[in-house]
Amino acid sequence: EAQVTQNPRYLITVTGKKLTVTCSQNMNHEYMSWYRQDPGLGLRQIYYSMNVEVTDKGDVPEGYKVSRKEKRNFPLILESPSPNQTSLYFCASRANTDTQYFGPGTRLTVL
Amino acid sequence: GQSLEQPSEVTAVEGAIVQINCTYQTSGFYGLSWYQQHDGGAPTFLSYNALDGLEETGRFSSFLSRSDSYGYLLLQELQMKDSASYFCAVSNRDDKIIFGKGTRLHILP
Repeated sequence: EAQVTQNPRYLITVTGKKLTVTCSQNMNHEYMSWYRQDPGLGLRQIYYSMNVEVTDKGDVPEGYKVSRKEKRNFPLILESPSPNQTSLYFCASRANTDTQYFGPGTRLTVL
Repeated sequence: GQSLEQPSEVTAVEGAIVQINCTYQTSGFYGLSWYQQHDGGAPTFLSYNALDGLEETGRFSSFLSRSDSYGYLLLQELQMKDSASYFCAVSNRDDKIIFGKGTRLHILP
């Protein structure tokens, strides 16, 4: 089944404790992206990647890192999480069309 | 800068037709997409317009006017399961994608 998977789905952590949210797609898509969703603000793009070893900042990249060492994986790294990074995070991928496929989401709480 | 405007809420009656508008400002416009998101779920792709005109997919249609920086999503024969949030999103030549804040669609029986 074609899909985007994210792990973990739920995470509660404390300020400053490094964490990684994994994202994997099995559709051989070149383009992958991370978004955060906050009430009243819609989806905001954090980082995106056009292909392996190519990453670019989206609208809200501060406090986040990403890597793209393999085509299928695009992990999101929070080196020192803060409470304002409490949010719902979505990973997405697409081929050369604009049809993005979203993962199920990761609900992160930073205390 | 880049921005999108869409109504925060729309209410319609089951079986009716509803239109959700989206106006945008962006440089290097490439295309306009629409996504549906049910409560607790992930966004799912509905439609995409790169050229002016109407694209129809079953009960859903999407329209784009590049000269007016405007588009809309048209939902026909509304069903209760269409109650959800709908997002427009623009992509530009830098491959960035900007989403609107979403329109909550309420459907009355």
